[in-house]
Amino acid sequence: DGGITQSPKYLFRKEGQNVTLSCEQNLNHDAMYWYRQDPGQGLRLIYYSQIVNDFQKGDIAEGYSVSREKKESFPLTVTSAQKNPTAFYLCASSKRLAGGFVEQYFGPGTRLTVT
Amino acid sequence: GENVEQHPSTLSVQEGDSAVIKCTYSDSASNYFPWYKQELGKRPQLIIDIRSNVGEKKDQRIAVTLNKTAKHFSLHITETQPEDSAVYFCAASKLGATNKLIFGTGTLLAVQP
Repeated sequence: DGGITQSPKYLFRKEGQNVTLSCEQNLNHDAMYWYRQDPGQGLRLIYYSQIVNDFQKGDIAEGYSVSREKKESFPLTVTSAQKNPTAFYLCASSKRLAGGFVEQYFGPGTRLTVT
Repeated sequence: GENVEQHPSTLSVQEGDSAVIKCTYSDSASNYFPWYKQELGKRPQLIIDIRSNVGEKKDQRIAVTLNKTAKHFSLHITETQPEDSAVYFCAASKLGATNKLIFGTGTLLAVQP
């Protein structure tokens, strides 16, 4: 799982502010993903991108935005429209295996606290 | 929509005992089933996965079994050790354009020394 970095590790923001979380990978993976993790709820998909300049909404995209201008980078912006932004955010990237399956590798995560 | 149910939510075992975590998926087209281990405050790490053309896969003390008919798959850890203590997540996906992983809600495994 080396090769995927997220920054910062901890982030504090005031309510009403937009904040951007960084995710970079040097694994030459085509696909990248953003998940949100809350206690007792597992990982929920926010957005994903399978190719540069293209991305799709996941299950909980409301209040979030992304861009994919470079293969290596997939930043996530948490907007003021997100009602409960405090969470642990995980970025992942994936490679294609034989038979078309995809193995996902995770970054170390960013813990966002909004007060 | 697609759903993965995972049980139990917490599991406590004595060191040396076996641990079993079970998952059920809803989409019969799912054909890839990874398991992730997440230690406190750290990233999930892939520990084993299985494809739908295989019924069982082993890697040292861990094994995964798949029952496609019942849409069940399970993680088995034998000879548990304190360092096995973590949250374990199952997931399911299907071959296609998106290959999105649908995760279970996790199992907190505590191995008592």
